[in-house]
Amino acid sequence: EAGVTQFPSHSVIEKGQTVTLRCDPISGHDNLYWYRRVMGKEIKFLLHFVKESKQDESGMPNNRFLAERTGGTYSTLKVQPAELEDSGVYFCASSGRPGTGSEKLFFGSGTQLSVL
Amino acid sequence: RKEVEQDPGPFNVPEGATVAFNCTYSNSASQSFFWYRQDCRKEPKLLMSVYSSGNEDGRFTAQLNRASQYISLLIRDSKLSDSATYLCAVNPSNNPYGNKLVFGAGTILRVKS
Repeated sequence: EAGVTQFPSHSVIEKGQTVTLRCDPISGHDNLYWYRRVMGKEIKFLLHFVKESKQDESGMPNNRFLAERTGGTYSTLKVQPAELEDSGVYFCASSGRPGTGSEKLFFGSGTQLSVL
Repeated sequence: RKEVEQDPGPFNVPEGATVAFNCTYSNSASQSFFWYRQDCRKEPKLLMSVYSSGNEDGRFTAQLNRASQYISLLIRDSKLSDSATYLCAVNPSNNPYGNKLVFGAGTILRVKS
């Protein structure tokens, strides 16, 4: 079974540019999460989709970040315009519905974003 | 105070040693607890869930102390391959839709020959 896949694995952009990260969750997982780890800090929650709906976006830093999950399959996270402090590793994770035995979170390998 | 706190380490131990990590959480309503392992420049990988009754998986034992609000991970007979960062993760609410996790900053373990 394919795991959570993320693209690109690395992205280097200049301040003010736009970057779009993509996440393909494990097939059949309704829940999709975005997390971020900034250098030297803990992994922090950004938002949670249940299918195509945003269940919780309390961790989104500001309105430069836009996440979508059209059709409830893959998700994109767009940063526009990027700032230096957006640099970090962006992880996507997915899980099945609670009570199904597949509610544990599985992470993708992350996108290392460097804003110069 | 952080929601989830861990001793960052590093814990430097010889092969074969037993090592234990603790993790404290601030939200007494937290529902579920996990230990993840993260290798350098890799994604977190679920090591084990932590149940109230405690659970064991081979050389790894996890325990939950709700009264004192901490979870622990014990690794017996440490191997070189156990070297990694161990992340504590807590689900702070009984969300019927899924597991929104709060992570600690991680504890670094280095096992040396």
